[in-house]
Amino acid sequence: QQQVKQSPQSLIVQKGGISIINCAYENTAFDYFPWYQQFPGKGPALLIAIRPDVSEKKEGRFTISFNKSAKQFSLHIMDSQPGDSATYFCAARRRSGTYKYIFGTGTRLKVLA
Amino acid sequence: DTAVSQTPKYLVTQMGNDKSIKCEQNLGHDTMYWYKQDSKKFLKIMFSYNNKELIINETVPNRFSPKSPDKAHLNLHINSLELGDSAVYFCASSPASRAVNEKLFFGSGTQLSVL
Repeated sequence: QQQVKQSPQSLIVQKGGISIINCAYENTAFDYFPWYQQFPGKGPALLIAIRPDVSEKKEGRFTISFNKSAKQFSLHIMDSQPGDSATYFCAARRRSGTYKYIFGTGTRLKVLA
Repeated sequence: DTAVSQTPKYLVTQMGNDKSIKCEQNLGHDTMYWYKQDSKKFLKIMFSYNNKELIINETVPNRFSPKSPDKAHLNLHINSLELGDSAVYFCASSPASRAVNEKLFFGSGTQLSVL
């Protein structure tokens, strides 16, 4: 119940294409769903986040789609660029207890020039 | 100025040694964390401190001991290092542990290699 399942493990996309990364969770106590981007040799950095009271959030080329009934959320990167090549982590945080984050297993995205 | 800084960036040591990793944040945040990232990139929380008080202590061997002298610093001491401790250790901070939309700010990591 504490897991966040992320897929695919790796993704190769042509420049200008759409990158889609999916995550699924089981615990209905989660109430905040961020995506983090990590470049080699760096720490993860917050990219975009959503709460379950909305179905979609868009920031520039990055969109989160959220399906509360299916307990799934996904990251869409439109017009993918080589500079987007990084590892992406979805995460979930529960609204009670210690409020800790549970991270997905990560997706290594490579955008070909 | 680096928001969350940790030292050293690389740490190579022999099995059985004791080592420490230091972390400092200049963001004025109340909460600090230690995360471990293994070779498969899996990111798992180890500890969290809120204003020098331990609030999260995951199932971590007691060879790992965090210490928070003040809310801007969270150090990690590891005794009797084992091969399996090899990983990247990230320090992070956030404004408050129970804010609805808290954002984690990560340091750039310490690559620990135990030989």
